Amino acid sequence: AQKVTQAQTEISVVEKEDVTLDCVYETRDTTYYLFWYKQPPSGELVFLIRRNSFDEQNEISGRYSWNFQKSTSSFNFTITASQVVDSAVYFCALFKSGTYKYIFGTGTRLKVLA
Amino acid sequence: DVKVTQSSRYLVKRTGEKVFLECVQDMDHENMFWYRQDPGLGLRLIYFSYDVKMKEKGDIPEGYSVSREKKERFSLILESASTNQTSMYLCASSPPPTGLAGAGGEQFFGPGTRLTVL
Repeated sequence: AQKVTQAQTEISVVEKEDVTLDCVYETRDTTYYLFWYKQPPSGELVFLIRRNSFDEQNEISGRYSWNFQKSTSSFNFTITASQVVDSAVYFCALFKSGTYKYIFGTGTRLKVLA
Repeated sequence: DVKVTQSSRYLVKRTGEKVFLECVQDMDHENMFWYRQDPGLGLRLIYFSYDVKMKEKGDIPEGYSVSREKKERFSLILESASTNQTSMYLCASSPPPTGLAGAGGEQFFGPGTRLTVL
């Protein structure tokens, strides 16, 4: 069975703190894709990153960085120097290669306080 | 600017009513999806479509049906609304899986419809 677990339901940080959102996945496939999406208060999910199972390189995009570790089946997301605009619900998702289905975690609500 | 639009942001219906939720995308995507989002449960797939007039059940199709008569439009139908269908409904579209490995593409989401069934 495939599953995505985001154990952190809600995190609160003060502006400028660093914060890491955890994502643990389960799959028996060797080829799969992992995603992160941001859902701001407006409601529309916004794509942040896609990573395939053969690429374990960490990625950095501005204040955002992602750490993919197949050994622990984790794909964690770190925001450096958080800002109030980062307040949102963040979803991690798994896509099974060769299908059309995306499996989402339950999301982590991040609150960044001024 | 690519767009997925949903017909209503907020909708209030009565138990037993037939409800139509409409979704339109302007990206010429083959794949379209309907999810419902509930607190603590994340996004759960109701139905998806990979081509016009083609549809597949997702994880929670009971009580719902869909229609895709045109590539850009994907409708979710609640045949007889019930209170346990009160939820946020999200529509998404994506290009088809690519390459030999069937790589999943980025999904583009609409703003959601918050449906309340009284």
